[in-house]
Amino acid sequence: ETGVTQSPTHLIKTRGQQVTLRCSSQSGHNTVSWYQQALGQGPQFIFQYYREEENGRGNFPPRFSGLQFPNYSSELNVNALELDDSALYLCASSDPRQGVHEQFFGPGTRLTVL
Amino acid sequence: QQQVKQSPQSLIVQKGGISIINCAYENTAFDYFPWYQQFPGKGPALLIAIRPDVSEKKEGRFTISFNKSAKQFSLHIMDSQPGDSATYFCAARKPGNQFYFGTGTSLTVIP
Repeated sequence: ETGVTQSPTHLIKTRGQQVTLRCSSQSGHNTVSWYQQALGQGPQFIFQYYREEENGRGNFPPRFSGLQFPNYSSELNVNALELDDSALYLCASSDPRQGVHEQFFGPGTRLTVL
Repeated sequence: QQQVKQSPQSLIVQKGGISIINCAYENTAFDYFPWYQQFPGKGPALLIAIRPDVSEKKEGRFTISFNKSAKQFSLHIMDSQPGDSATYFCAARKPGNQFYFGTGTSLTVIP
């Protein structure tokens, strides 16, 4: 059983650019959630994908968007990057079908916006 | 608006001592309360979790105490070890599997 993987590990962008982050969910997990973790803060829920549809969204603007693919992997896209978007972006997968609420986190992508 | 409030922000404990971290919430729709441990450069890892119909859950040296009427829950780490030094997050789940995290507690266990 493979865990949650994310790519890239680190990324440096400039203000105004666009970025795509990728996540492969744990084997068999059909739900993927994305979080933004600013330095010294707890993860903030961005949105969740279930069966390729957005299934809940936190307080983030529309320039944060995502996709989920048939194999349950997911992408997070951020347009018009701002300095405050610098953070660790975490992906977590879960399988509510199993009746277990536990979610498993990947190691994250560290995004720096200059 | 922070849906889960966590304290203290940092904690220093002697080896063998008890570490206590507290969290509070307002939303009564929350139905699952996990604690996560995070080491630098890593994603959070589930430590222990509790449902609101249980007042206490113990797993090894880790215990969650849950007070539903006060909407508070806490993590107790008994016999704290230097290897427990990490950042701890409480969280709460809304139906739909959406999780809300506290701001974290940086624990340092001194040998």
